[in-house]
Amino acid sequence: EVQLVESGGGLVQPGGSLRLSCAASGFTFNGYWMSWVRQAPGKGLEWVAIIKEDGGEKYNVDFVKGRFTISRDNAKNSLYLQMNSLRAEDTAVYYCARLQLTGNRGRGYFEYWGQGTLVTVSS
Amino acid sequence: DIVMTQSPDSLAVSLGERATINCRSSQSVLYSSNNKNYLAWYQQKPGQPPKLLIYWASTRESGVPDRFSGSGSGTDFTLTISSLQAEDVAVYYCQQHYDSPLTFGQGTRLGIK
Repeated sequence: EVQLVESGGGLVQPGGSLRLSCAASGFTFNGYWMSWVRQAPGKGLEWVAIIKEDGGEKYNVDFVKGRFTISRDNAKNSLYLQMNSLRAEDTAVYYCARLQLTGNRGRGYFEYWGQGTLVTVSS
Repeated sequence: DIVMTQSPDSLAVSLGERATINCRSSQSVLYSSNNKNYLAWYQQKPGQPPKLLIYWASTRESGVPDRFSGSGSGTDFTLTISSLQAEDVAVYYCQQHYDSPLTFGQGTRLGIK
């Protein structure tokens, strides 16, 4: 059974940093592109970042470029999101999701999702 | 970026009746080389993560009840629930994977009348 378990969320002040983790199990982690998708309270879904199986390609949505960095450790079956210079508008539940790749540059749909971890940016 | 627009924003349908949700993309998500529509549908129940329902616009994910169906091509797509059950109360999202960045519709909230 595929399992994705996020951790690392919490309350952080504007301008602060946070590192999210996602522990994967039940599948061959190094065989899949992985992604972070977020959802602000009461709002819709927003793709954030994506990373290739071997970490060799990474793509971010424009509004997090230079602030968020996606990475992975295949030896630990783990996905990460380093978030710096956090803003109030980054407040959201952050989901780890496994991608079913359908094209180049990390295009695909999301087959499996974790339960999410809440990040709150507030003073 | 490809903008995905769903309609309506919310709807209420009686149990056992048909529910129809629409999704329109700002440009075609049909890839002519393989004749596939790069469009997926998700269901999100309260307090839960999204769940994949349909991909390639009309292919049901394994385990999804056959009352759920997807149709459409190019820029206009529809998710249909043929006979609404109480457990179908949720927010439904479409998502395009034709181009980067991957984008979602704003969601349609489905309730019981």
